[in-house]
Amino acid sequence: GENVEQHPSTLSVQEGDSAVIKCTYSDSASNYFPWYKQELGKRPQLIIDIRSNVGEKKDQRIAVTLNKTAKHFSLHITETQPEDSAVYFCAAREAGNMLTFGGGTRLMVKP
Amino acid sequence: NAGVMQNPRHLVRRRGQEARLRCSPMKGHSHVYWYRQLPEEGLKFMVYLQKENIIDESGMPKERFSAEFPKEGPSILRIQQVVRGDSAAYFCASSPTAAEGTEAFFGQGTRLTVV
Repeated sequence: GENVEQHPSTLSVQEGDSAVIKCTYSDSASNYFPWYKQELGKRPQLIIDIRSNVGEKKDQRIAVTLNKTAKHFSLHITETQPEDSAVYFCAAREAGNMLTFGGGTRLMVKP
Repeated sequence: NAGVMQNPRHLVRRRGQEARLRCSPMKGHSHVYWYRQLPEEGLKFMVYLQKENIIDESGMPKERFSAEFPKEGPSILRIQQVVRGDSAAYFCASSPTAAEGTEAFFGQGTRLTVV
């Protein structure tokens, strides 16, 4: 089955700086890669996703890149704000199958 | 559209009791996924169901755990004879299909505490 590794496990940045979280996956058949943000005690919420036929996608301060050859994808958050502080999860899914999640990254944005 | 609804939000059970967790998917969604999240950990897949069928239960323990998604009504995750190690947040997610690029929406979760 799929295995997703996520780094770093914790990330501390100063407000206004950029944050980058990286994930690798094992199954070359995976073709959908969402990123979820989870605040303490709340549900995971989708913030951005990318499909296998796209290399990069951007939505305001958030961008995701995908390298299918190397089997890794990354989340980029620019101009970080304190409200970006949360746990972020990457995930990978093979067609018709369930999501496999990375271990999560706790992002702390210091004012 | 009310979103994915889970109940109860919090559930306390004594060791040896049964826990029943309910998940009503979003309207029009026929695919349900259950995940378990231990404190300070990630989301671990448990089971994937479509109406009346279990598609993949590879992440669910073979004993004490069962899941169903009947033709009518919510999906149920049932844990028999709970132990302290079952304490966790249980999330369900739903999607309209299982096709590539189909977003899965999560419910608020049920926080199970075994005392």
